[in-house]
Amino acid sequence: ETGVTQSPTHLIKTRGQQVTLRCSSQSGHNTVSWYQQALGQGPQFIFQYYREEENGRGNFPPRFSGLQFPNYSSELNVNALELDDSALYLCASSFDGPYYEQYFGPGTRLTVT
Amino acid sequence: EDKVVQSPLSLVVHEGDTVTLNCSYEVTNFRSLLWYKQEKKAPTFLFMLTSSGIEKKSGRLSSILDKKELSSILNITATQTGDSAIYLCAVLKTSYDKVIFGPGTSLSVIP
Repeated sequence: ETGVTQSPTHLIKTRGQQVTLRCSSQSGHNTVSWYQQALGQGPQFIFQYYREEENGRGNFPPRFSGLQFPNYSSELNVNALELDDSALYLCASSFDGPYYEQYFGPGTRLTVT
Repeated sequence: EDKVVQSPLSLVVHEGDTVTLNCSYEVTNFRSLLWYKQEKKAPTFLFMLTSSGIEKKSGRLSSILDKKELSSILNITATQTGDSAIYLCAVLKTSYDKVIFGPGTSLSVIP
């Protein structure tokens, strides 16, 4: 197991609601990347945070936003949830960008009804 | 638009077989290609390939990158039931700010 933790493990929300997912990075890692993985698909890059700044973003609308804290843990916030947001949300931590090994957390399974 | 394609999408083999998984990419500013194994939830890192033609090996797994053909293969010899998983190929761009994953190959190894 990696040292990356995510909470909660599972979450059920209703369309239109807002959700916050959390990720604690592995000790010594200063970069966190967030991915959305729909069933049967590969992870899709949402964004990356490096030393508390957003450092790259995929093709996701602004209602997907994030934060990174001084201890390098991170949050993913999704507003105005849609049914298509139902997915496994993975965070991955690494040192100084995703150059080499990203260590993935176990993910949060979000279901939007 | 950047794209990573994997084939086959799913595969069923018997224990002891050798399998080859394929990954091809169309990506601007390519830096390196990564392979991951995803069993339940968290993908685990297998290999990173940056230079063409150099094979990386780890036990029964090996991988090689062909930058001319914009592709990579992952070989697994003497497969075991524990190799059953989704194998993900991903490309890292030189801007270091984005990792693009393919759809994955679902491998099932039956006794």
